[in-house]
Amino acid sequence: NAGVMQNPRHLVRRRGQEARLRCSPMKGHSHVYWYRQLPEEGLKFMVYLQKENIIDESGMPKERFSAEFPKEGPSILRIQQVVRGDSAAYFCASSLGQGMYEQYFGPGTRLTVT
Amino acid sequence: AQKVTQAQTEISVVEKEDVTLDCVYETRDTTYYLFWYKQPPSGELVFLIRRNSFDEQNEISGRYSWNFQKSTSSFNFTITASQVVDSAVYFCALSEASNYQLIWGAGTKLIIKP
Repeated sequence: NAGVMQNPRHLVRRRGQEARLRCSPMKGHSHVYWYRQLPEEGLKFMVYLQKENIIDESGMPKERFSAEFPKEGPSILRIQQVVRGDSAAYFCASSLGQGMYEQYFGPGTRLTVT
Repeated sequence: AQKVTQAQTEISVVEKEDVTLDCVYETRDTTYYLFWYKQPPSGELVFLIRRNSFDEQNEISGRYSWNFQKSTSSFNFTITASQVVDSAVYFCALSEASNYQLIWGAGTKLIIKP
């Protein structure tokens, strides 16, 4: 029973390039969340998606960041024109539902912007 | 507004000692859920426990126990007879029934010395 899958695990991009982070939720889970963790800090909510819908993107920067969760395939977090401040660990989580349901996390993608 | 405070930034103990990690939360909702996650040095996030606001029973799982007290808005985590493998960053998180975002504490880094 595979858990939440994220790839790549490590991603290095130069300033100005695009970063694409992928997340496949646990089997049977249709709720996906993205979080960002800066070094030595807790996680910060970015976006919540269900299949083909963005439910809440209030934690995501208005520019350069976008997320999708298509009917088929993984959820994608896309960062355009990356800057050094985007360097962080990006975690994807999935759950059966909202609120009371625990979120299971993937191993994270560590993005380094040089 | 909702908030989770983990006042202990870092705790260091010698193996076999008992250690308690504190978590204090703020919420206006009457229905909410509390979580603990473990983040070992490898970086993944491991779900440990979920507690509902209407269930104040303490929980024990092996060497781990959790003390939930609504009167003090605390959800503390105790590791009995600590082991080196318990070394990790531990996060407390809150989810409200009216919301779905996990609100995270800043984490407590636990170091268990042999």
